[in-house]
Amino acid sequence: QVQLVESGGGVVQPGGSLRLSCAASGFTFSTYGMHWVRQAPGKGLEWVSFIRYDESDKYYADSVKGRFTISRDNSKNTLYLQMNSLRGDDTAVYYCAKDPGAGMSEGIDYWGQGTLVTVSS
Amino acid sequence: DVVLTQSPLSLPVTLGQPASISCRSSQSLVYSDGNTYLSWFQQRPGQSPRRLIYKVSNRDSGVPARFSGSGSGTDFTLKISRVEAEDVGVYHCMQATNWPYSFGQGTKLEIK
Repeated sequence: QVQLVESGGGVVQPGGSLRLSCAASGFTFSTYGMHWVRQAPGKGLEWVSFIRYDESDKYYADSVKGRFTISRDNSKNTLYLQMNSLRGDDTAVYYCAKDPGAGMSEGIDYWGQGTLVTVSS
Repeated sequence: DVVLTQSPLSLPVTLGQPASISCRSSQSLVYSDGNTYLSWFQQRPGQSPRRLIYKVSNRDSGVPARFSGSGSGTDFTLKISRVEAEDVGVYHCMQATNWPYSFGQGTKLEIK
């Protein structure tokens, strides 16, 4: 079965950096696009970023563009999110999520359990 | 950017009664391939979201038949025919037709 396990969350000061990882198993990782989605405490879901299976396309929410970078290592079945210049409003649970599309993106079908990022001095 | 507006935001329901959640889009969600990439997710308290419905009306494997999705263009609905206690949680719609992808604000379903 599909498993997505995030790691790398923690407490970071404003202006700091953090790299999240997502270890994938139970499917052919190199065939599917992947997403990051976040949820601030007590708030709704916010789509953050997408990367195509072969890294040929990457998309970002305006709120993180220029500060966050999505990447993947298909040899390690791992998705990453490099977060720089972190701000208080980046505080959230960050979810790794799988796209059901094997070529073009079709949305999200599976989610990880999430990792909490807290930006605070 | 596409804005999804859900209503109501809070939905108290009596056990065994039906429930309905609306998701309205600021623009058509029909993609150039003819598909409409509108999904519904359930998020139980303390859990990650789980997909219930994809492409408007397709129910995921293992999702009870009491859940159904309908709609077209800009107006979409998630219906629960008879609410059970395990249905408590927040329901989110999401569009994957236009970048950047977006979610509705979420609708909190509770038992009266």
